[in-house]
Amino acid sequence: DAGVTQSPTHLIKTRGQQVTLRCSPKSGHDTVSWYQQALGQGPQFIFQYYEEEERQRGNFPDRFSGHQFPNYSSELNVNALLLGDSALYLCASSLLVSLAKNIQYFGAGTRLSVL
Amino acid sequence: GENVEQHPSTLSVQEGDSAVIKCTYSDSASNYFPWYKQELGKRPQLIIDIRSNVGEKKDQRIAVTLNKTAKHFSLHITETQPEDSAVYFCAATYSGTYKYIFGTGTRLKVLA
Repeated sequence: DAGVTQSPTHLIKTRGQQVTLRCSPKSGHDTVSWYQQALGQGPQFIFQYYEEEERQRGNFPDRFSGHQFPNYSSELNVNALLLGDSALYLCASSLLVSLAKNIQYFGAGTRLSVL
Repeated sequence: GENVEQHPSTLSVQEGDSAVIKCTYSDSASNYFPWYKQELGKRPQLIIDIRSNVGEKKDQRIAVTLNKTAKHFSLHITETQPEDSAVYFCAATYSGTYKYIFGTGTRLKVLA
């Protein structure tokens, strides 16, 4: 049973560029959440996808957008990259019917460096 | 707004001693409090969690306590071992959402 997988593991971009990060949820899960973890900080909630729609969003600008596919996998897109976007991006998956249980499983993350 | 404060930011203990990490949350609607362990370069791993209808939960050397009135919850690790060295994060959330509010983390070093 595969856990949450993310790709790529590392990425280097320059300011102004665009980036796409990918996530495959744990088998059987239908909800994907994305978090940004800056160095030395706790993860910050970006947004959550269910049934291919953004269901909830944190305090991130519109430069951050996402998508969920019919197979429940998800992409995080960041446009017009800033130096401050350098961080570890974590994907977490869960099962909506167990919403009352709140439990999320995290992937290993994609480390994005913006130069 | 929603906020979780976590203390201390770093903690060094001798092997075999106990370690305690404390968190305070602001949203009184929070009813689920997980703790994650994150080793360098690895994913956050859920180590223990507690729900608001319970005051304490224990799993071998790890325990979590919750004081709903004070909006405090704490992680207790007894008989610490070098492999306990990692960054620990607390989080708070409530039923009906998967939005976790994380603390800023505690770097635990267990000295052999």
